[in-house]
Amino acid sequence: RKEVEQDPGPFNVPEGATVAFNCTYSNSASQSFFWYRQDCRKEPKLLMSVYSSGNEDGRFTAQLNRASQYISLLIRDSKLSDSATYLCVVKRRGSTLGRLYFGRGTQLTVWP
Amino acid sequence: DGGITQSPKYLFRKEGQNVTLSCEQNLNHDAMYWYRQDPGQGLRLIYYSQIVNDFQKGDIAEGYSVSREKKESFPLTVTSAQKNPTAFYLCASSGSPGYGTGELFFGEGSRLTVL
Repeated sequence: RKEVEQDPGPFNVPEGATVAFNCTYSNSASQSFFWYRQDCRKEPKLLMSVYSSGNEDGRFTAQLNRASQYISLLIRDSKLSDSATYLCVVKRRGSTLGRLYFGRGTQLTVWP
Repeated sequence: DGGITQSPKYLFRKEGQNVTLSCEQNLNHDAMYWYRQDPGQGLRLIYYSQIVNDFQKGDIAEGYSVSREKKESFPLTVTSAQKNPTAFYLCASSGSPGYGTGELFFGEGSRLTVL
């Protein structure tokens, strides 16, 4: 079983829509969770960290459910510029600095 | 501007040839990493280094080699032993010690094609 599983999509939504991505992780020792964004043929960039209590950054909301071992990302009022691949990333407790596990990404296309 | 520079951006290689990908950072980060990305796959860790003159194998180290002689530099050599070298290679760095930080800063990547 893969360390991090994501629905690859693609998700195709109109501007203004709300879209949600889920991600599951297999190792219960996982400690830290993140969403990265990757534009086509570019490098990934950190979108937001995911905290146990849930957190929000503008139109983006991240949730963590440790009992079920899944992480979610909600995007409200989608913009054309949100079109990208969203990577779910997990770090195990006690692992060495920066040892991250990446999901294969969920592709989002927002159309006008 | 601080950042990570990878070169070359595109590289073509014949089968049986070794090739070295350059990665330089001026972020003063201690840790550096090499990932490989294939279409439809997640990033996979090749090698990482937490300090100068020290590095560890990641999940797919076979057919690759690295060195860390300077803090700023972490070159990756793709050897002829690597069976499927065509991929997008990403170098990253991370600066904060401890276990809570997860932000990796990536270079723009090197796209290697073996002919």
